[in-house]
Amino acid sequence: RKEVEQDPGPFNVPEGATVAFNCTYSNSASQSFFWYRQDCRKEPKLLMSVYSSGNEDGRFTAQLNRASQYISLLIRDSKLSDSATYLCVVGTGRRALTFGSGTRLQVQP
Amino acid sequence: GAVVSQHPSRVICKSGTSVKIECRSLDFQATTMFWYRQFPKQSLMLMATSNEGSKATYEQGVEKDKFLINHASLTLSTLTVTSAHPEDSSFYICSAMTSVETQYFGPGTRLLVL
Repeated sequence: RKEVEQDPGPFNVPEGATVAFNCTYSNSASQSFFWYRQDCRKEPKLLMSVYSSGNEDGRFTAQLNRASQYISLLIRDSKLSDSATYLCVVGTGRRALTFGSGTRLQVQP
Repeated sequence: GAVVSQHPSRVICKSGTSVKIECRSLDFQATTMFWYRQFPKQSLMLMATSNEGSKATYEQGVEKDKFLINHASLTLSTLTVTSAHPEDSSFYICSAMTSVETQYFGPGTRLLVL
């Protein structure tokens, strides 16, 4: 079983749609949780950290359920520029991050 | 956010040669840097953890004699791919950890071994 598992994708959605990504992690000792965005042939860029209380940044909302070891990302009012691969990322203390395989999003006009 | 640079951004080399990739944290000191590798359509896979002033810690299956890592200062880590082969062709990305344990990624180095 992979340490971090994500929806396989790709997700093809029209502009303005709401799309949700899910992720599960296997290491119960995980302490930090993130969503990164990776554009084609570029490095990952931090989209947002994820907290147990849930957090929102504009059109993006992230949720964490530690009991279920489940993380989600909701994107509202999708824009063409949201097209990218979204990586669910989990950290354990000062160790390196563990990446999910990513979910590709394609927002269509 | 913090800035991490990598050099070179792209390199093409002949099989059997060695390639050095530099990773620099430009506006903060990083006692820990990480080296990842990403093959096409796959996720990032950690290769090694680089700690300033000490030996790197390699992940299982990564040959330490082939991928030499040096972290001589708080702002610079280098990865040297020795005796490169075509199967080493990949996207190599470093990240640097800040004091508050956030990681920032370099722009990556695309290596093609002919």
